[in-house]
Amino acid sequence: GENVEQHPSTLSVQEGDSAVIKCTYSDSASNYFPWYKQELGKRPQLIIDIRSNVGEKKDQRIAVTLNKTAKHFSLHITETQPEDSAVYFCAASTGTYKYIFGTGTRLKVLA
Amino acid sequence: DTGVSQDPRHKITKRGQNVTFRCDPISEHNRLYWYRQTLGQGPEFLTYFQNEAQLEKSRLLSDRFSAERPKGSFSTLEIQRTEQGDSAMYLCASSPHTGGKGGTEAFFGQGTRLTVV
Repeated sequence: GENVEQHPSTLSVQEGDSAVIKCTYSDSASNYFPWYKQELGKRPQLIIDIRSNVGEKKDQRIAVTLNKTAKHFSLHITETQPEDSAVYFCAASTGTYKYIFGTGTRLKVLA
Repeated sequence: DTGVSQDPRHKITKRGQNVTFRCDPISEHNRLYWYRQTLGQGPEFLTYFQNEAQLEKSRLLSDRFSAERPKGSFSTLEIQRTEQGDSAMYLCASSPHTGGKGGTEAFFGQGTRLTVV
């Protein structure tokens, strides 16, 4: 069935360092890959997304890469700041409707 | 606030009782989703509406769960005969139709936290 695996489950980095979170999806028909950030007690909010016809997308300190052959996609955060601390979820969608989410990565940025 | 709104924010109920949650999506969004999130996990898909039509229901959803979107606007999720395992955050999300161009951002509500005691 459809599945998205996400690693690591927790990640601690020093302020200013980079953080990388990796996801693997199973459904080869997936063509849309959003990343959501969820702070404690708040709703998930989109931070970046990528479509299957693109290999990389960047928005300031955040970038996402996609390897369709390997069914891998990754989130890269550079120059991390304490406010980046949150839980990050990757997701995959066939583009029609539902999103299959990963299990989340708790990122802690240490000042 | 013109985002997705959910009501109530919190619900405590006794086992065996019925509960109903409401979701008001962003007004121009024709797609509406319900997800369930437990502590430390990602949101799990429950069901999806395009306008008033319920197009998919997850196998995770037992017969005790039912969702409606009667006029293609707000939606309700009802859980009958609640069990302790139903305790979770129930998230609603909406997204606009993309005309076959593929997926697009789903905007989430704040969620309804259900506690079954």
